[in-house]
Amino acid sequence: IQLTQSPSSLSASVGDRVTITCRASQGINNFLAWYQQKPGKAPELLISAASTLQSGVPSRFSGSGSGTDFTLTIDSLQPEDFATYYCQLLNSYPSFTFGPGTKVDIK
Amino acid sequence: EEQLVQSGAEVKKPGESLRISCKGSGYSFVTYWITWVRQMPGKGLEWMGRINPSDSSTNYDPSFQGHVTISLDRSISTAYLQWSSLKASDTAIYYCARHFRNYDILTRQFYFYMDVWGEGTTVTVSS
Repeated sequence: IQLTQSPSSLSASVGDRVTITCRASQGINNFLAWYQQKPGKAPELLISAASTLQSGVPSRFSGSGSGTDFTLTIDSLQPEDFATYYCQLLNSYPSFTFGPGTKVDIK
Repeated sequence: EEQLVQSGAEVKKPGESLRISCKGSGYSFVTYWITWVRQMPGKGLEWMGRINPSDSSTNYDPSFQGHVTISLDRSISTAYLQWSSLKASDTAIYYCARHFRNYDILTRQFYFYMDVWGEGTTVTVSS
């Protein structure tokens, strides 16, 4: 199963609403996670099972989707949200594939 | 606090061997798989493989099978990633992460996500 993300990068302003899409090459139910990675840092889990927000993650982040099409939405982008975002398959043994990433930078 | 602490940066020559480590603390180490992720310079994340601390069973991505070995020492809550003969193309940051298992009632399937991450180990291979 392959994952694609769109866009590969985007420029946005503080306060903007940002939407990132992840598409699977075949249906994966809701077995998808989203991670945030800031430069020089390890990734951090934002969302599991397509829409379950991890403890401590701000509520401006939300995930949706099922089957092949998934979305990560950031409402009212904050300065600390400028980062690269990855989606990942959660039960696709033998590989828990990551998407190629979407870089969000400042307009 | 649940955490994974990784060993420090390494600089090696092609053909040398290497083992890097990932020590868990603040939780029951044997309860959760430990997984390894590669990030080559300026590139995305690649899942390499994982190990189950309860029985030392391993799974590898086909791309990494035979090129690396994942092992552990349960007595010191530490997982390892090792190479027998490094190549320049192994230059990357390597992250370990806890692979948390959950169960979906509707589909009756398990799924895993990486909820605790180490800080990463930078490996540089250069002659």
